[in-house]
Amino acid sequence: GAGVSQSPSNKVTEKGKDVELRCDPISGHTALYWYRQSLGQGLEFLIYFQGNSAPDKSGLPSDRFSAERTGGSVSTLTIQRTQQEDSAVYLCASSFRQGVYEQYFGPGTRLTVT
Amino acid sequence: DQQVKQNSPSLSVQEGRISILNCDYTNSMFDYFLWYKKYPAEGPTFLISISSIKDKNEDGRFTVFLNKSAKHLSLHIVPSQPGDSAVYFCAAIRGAQKLVFGQGTRLTINP
Repeated sequence: GAGVSQSPSNKVTEKGKDVELRCDPISGHTALYWYRQSLGQGLEFLIYFQGNSAPDKSGLPSDRFSAERTGGSVSTLTIQRTQQEDSAVYLCASSFRQGVYEQYFGPGTRLTVT
Repeated sequence: DQQVKQNSPSLSVQEGRISILNCDYTNSMFDYFLWYKKYPAEGPTFLISISSIKDKNEDGRFTVFLNKSAKHLSLHIVPSQPGDSAVYFCAAIRGAQKLVFGQGTRLTINP
């Protein structure tokens, strides 16, 4: 079946604009994660959704970042009033259920804030 | 607070030889460790994992070793092949919490 898909693959935006990044997880996967990878850095956890439970937002760097997951499937990560330090690759991952450690990643969205 | 560290940003190995990638962690409560492989412009792909109750897990050319007393794990690839050239991330998890990733090591296999 299809893997995790993300759109757009690349996004260039001006400082101060809002952006929305989309993730389509693998069908049937109940857990969904957002990470970002800044240049030369590892993967930084942002937010985690598990079924109908309240999301774990502990990794969101500021209140300009938010995410939602509609119908337990597609997720959108929104960054308001983008800053240059938001430039990174944003990666989405899904797993079958909570407690299953192997996560399947999408190709990422490369965000460049000019 | 970097709980998972990969101190070598890059590693170069000759084709056919053994590649050893290292990872250190600080949180003794981690109970599961994973290695991911990432090619440019692609998301990371799961490679191999190990539970904290084991000290070795082998899958084909890939073996992960865990030394809990030293809080150290390593990934051995033997024999190394050109297609193994990628960035390798070590990750750790405790219970149902989120994965914590290291910074990655770029492995280059030379012909």
